[in-house]
Amino acid sequence: SAVISQKPSRDICQRGTSLTIQCQVDSQVTMMFWYRQQPGQSLTLIATANQGSEATYESGFVIDKFPISRPNLTFSTLTVSNMSPEDSSIYLCSVDDSKETQYFGPGTRLLVL
Amino acid sequence: QQQVKQSPQSLIVQKGGISIINCAYENTAFDYFPWYQQFPGKGPALLIAIRPDVSEKKEGRFTISFNKSAKQFSLHIMDSQPGDSATYFCAASMSSGGSNYKLTFGKGTLLTVNP
Repeated sequence: SAVISQKPSRDICQRGTSLTIQCQVDSQVTMMFWYRQQPGQSLTLIATANQGSEATYESGFVIDKFPISRPNLTFSTLTVSNMSPEDSSIYLCSVDDSKETQYFGPGTRLLVL
Repeated sequence: QQQVKQSPQSLIVQKGGISIINCAYENTAFDYFPWYQQFPGKGPALLIAIRPDVSEKKEGRFTISFNKSAKQFSLHIMDSQPGDSATYFCAASMSSGGSNYKLTFGKGTLLTVNP
């Protein structure tokens, strides 16, 4: 199974600032995903990130707010821009190993003051 | 529109008992149904998954039952243990090019197993 790490594990940020979250996988994967999990809630897909192409965003999420990079097959970043307290959430990356399984990273816990 | 409905929201079971969590879906194009287990402070971990060509799949104490005509599937945890206390999410997705993607999650069930 894929092993996924995320940095930072948690952060406290001021409103109006931006935070970039890194996701590193121990093997090459085609598809990477970014999810948001608000406190006590379920997971909502933000976007799908494929290497060599622009990310595909779900309804309600836009590139200006959540720019994503996917420079290679083992790494991706998600930036949360111009943050507000409503952005306080857990941000999770996941990968599809092409064997019917999505593996999740440990998450980045973000608190915006 | 919530495409995957999960119940109950919370569940308390005694040690050794059976925990049952139910999910219903609306999109008949879904063809992959995983269950994830999430402990506090951790990311979700795949527990067990099923495709609609079988009605039941068992792995250890965990069993998925699937009813295609009713568009429902459920997770049964036999001999529940305090270590099973976690939040459980059902999910659904459609296959594309041999790999699954864009999981749609239920709202989760907080399971507490009392010793």
